[in-house]
Amino acid sequence: EAGVTQFPSHSVIEKGQTVTLRCDPISGHDNLYWYRRVMGKEIKFLLHFVKESKQDESGMPNNRFLAERTGGTYSTLKVQPAELEDSGVYFCASSQVLRRTEAFFGQGTRLTVV
Amino acid sequence: KNQVEQSPQSLIILEGKNCTLQCNYTVSPFSNLRWYKQDTGRGPVSLTIMTFSENTKSNGRYTATLDADTKQSSLHITASQLSDSASYICVVTSSGGSYIPTFGRGTSLIVHP
Repeated sequence: EAGVTQFPSHSVIEKGQTVTLRCDPISGHDNLYWYRRVMGKEIKFLLHFVKESKQDESGMPNNRFLAERTGGTYSTLKVQPAELEDSGVYFCASSQVLRRTEAFFGQGTRLTVV
Repeated sequence: KNQVEQSPQSLIILEGKNCTLQCNYTVSPFSNLRWYKQDTGRGPVSLTIMTFSENTKSNGRYTATLDADTKQSSLHITASQLSDSASYICVVTSSGGSYIPTFGRGTSLIVHP
């Protein structure tokens, strides 16, 4: 069974550019989460989808971040325009709706804004 | 404010030795506590999960304990191996709201031959 996959694994962009991160959850997992780890800090929650609906987006830092999950399958996280402080590792995790605490993580996307 | 504090920040041990990592939390109301292992360049992988009623959980050479009264947890690694070198993250989930987890900063463990 395929795990949670994220694309790209690394991205280096200039300040002001746009970047879109993608997450493919484990098939059948309705819950999808985005997290971010800024260097030297702990992993922090960004938002939570249940199928295509945003259940909780209280962790989104500002309106430069837009997450979507059309059709309730894969999800994208767009940063536009990117700022230097957006650099970090973005993790995606998914879980079954009836076992919402059993979350499986992807390998992360390392974003560097220069 | 929900917080998870881990200690030590980093630890170096010799192969074959045991070690214990600590986690203190202030998350409330408490739902569960999970220890993750994160290898460099990989995503976190769950080692153990404990709910309020559980005070110990083992997974091979990993044993986690939980004291819900003092809000402390430990992860004990027995007979360490080189492959145990990784970051170990304590994650506490609140039962309030949508079960948002709070992550600790992790303990970086290096096992030397």
